[in-house]
Amino acid sequence: NAGVTQTPKFQVLKTGQSMTLQCAQDMNHNSMYWYRQDPGMGLRLIYYSASEGTTDKGEVPNGYNVSRLNKREFSLRLESAAPSQTSVYFCASSELWSSGDGYTFGSGTRLTVV
Amino acid sequence: GENVEQHPSTLSVQEGDSAVIKCTYSDSASNYFPWYKQELGKRPQLIIDIRSNVGEKKDQRIAVTLNKTAKHFSLHITETQPEDSAVYFCAASTGGGGSQGNLIFGKGTKLSVKP
Repeated sequence: NAGVTQTPKFQVLKTGQSMTLQCAQDMNHNSMYWYRQDPGMGLRLIYYSASEGTTDKGEVPNGYNVSRLNKREFSLRLESAAPSQTSVYFCASSELWSSGDGYTFGSGTRLTVV
Repeated sequence: GENVEQHPSTLSVQEGDSAVIKCTYSDSASNYFPWYKQELGKRPQLIIDIRSNVGEKKDQRIAVTLNKTAKHFSLHITETQPEDSAVYFCAASTGGGGSQGNLIFGKGTKLSVKP
């Protein structure tokens, strides 16, 4: 039982390059989330998927797209990376979005855009 | 939408002392308040949570109190140990309805426990 698995753990991109961050959970959770963490800013929500087949914007969605591939997998895509997207990205999941549950986080992806 | 403010941003205590971190929230409909601990270079992990139908919850050396009237909640750590050193985040959600099911996080408190 791995919980929430994110790949890759580290990535360096050049400005304008694209990439997809992968996230998978094996807890049969319905809801999944992508957050970014920057120094002094806490955790800010990029996109979320309350249930399979739905996705919605969070607080900071500009420059990102997401895909809820199936119940287990939720990917985050940067189409044209910018230095402002240098951050640590965390995927998380919870059993049921509507009940206000605690999240289980992945181990994070440290992304640097040069 | 919900806004969560967390204070202090840094906190330094001597081993064995108590530590208190406070958060305020803006949305009176919020009903779920978790606390996360994040050690350096690691993922945030849930350490304790409280729902709006109770005023206090304890788990060994940690406790959380909630004042719904004043819209604030606090994390209390007693008999602090060096391994308590980490960044602590509070969060709030209403548990449903539009985007309000999402957790909104405070900006974090860096706790340092000096031996």
